[in-house]
Amino acid sequence: QVQLQESGPGLVKPSETLSLMCTVSGGSISSHYWSWIRQPPGKGLEWIGYMYYSGSTNYNPSLKSRVTMSLDTSKNQFSLKLSSVTAADTAVYYCARANWNYVLDYWGQGILVTVSS
Amino acid sequence: EIVLTQSPGTLSLSPGERATLSCRASQSISSNFLAWYQQKPGLAPRLLIYGASNWATGIPDRFSGSGSGTDFTLTISRLEPEDFAVYYCHQYGSSPWTFGQGTKVEIK
Repeated sequence: QVQLQESGPGLVKPSETLSLMCTVSGGSISSHYWSWIRQPPGKGLEWIGYMYYSGSTNYNPSLKSRVTMSLDTSKNQFSLKLSSVTAADTAVYYCARANWNYVLDYWGQGILVTVSS
Repeated sequence: EIVLTQSPGTLSLSPGERATLSCRASQSISSNFLAWYQQKPGLAPRLLIYGASNWATGIPDRFSGSGSGTDFTLTISRLEPEDFAVYYCHQYGSSPWTFGQGTKVEIK
């Protein structure tokens, strides 16, 4: 059973960079697509982007200029960096696996990140 | 970008009743790459249906998905107490992937 777990700071200051890690267990990160999705409090879901295990990426154009994703196959982890954050970036951030048919089938429990000074 | 519009926004029903949730896309979804998720408060979304009509692992058959092109439906044949939640449709056929705004199924 694949499991994902987000980690990182729960509080980030405006204009700084949000950095999150997702640790994958029960399966190798050296396959499939690895994605980030966020959900502002009380609102709907927004896809941030995904990274293929080969290193290629696909980001949401609405966030593309601020997003960087990377993989660490030695640690079975992948990460998200979102720069120049504002209060609008306050959300629960989920990491998820997309299978070979691009279906987001396994999700982490989510981590709340608040942007505030 | 494909915009997904879900209706109704809220569905008030009693246990045992049938729920019909709609998801309409602003343009045709490639290969029927449309999924449905259930989300309960404080929890991550749970995959129910993918490819418009295929059950995810472990999903009871009272949940069913149908539709193609731009119009899709999630049906819950008989609501169980644990089915009261928010449901999202999601298209992954075109980038950027997008989600509907959600339908809340609440106890009447």
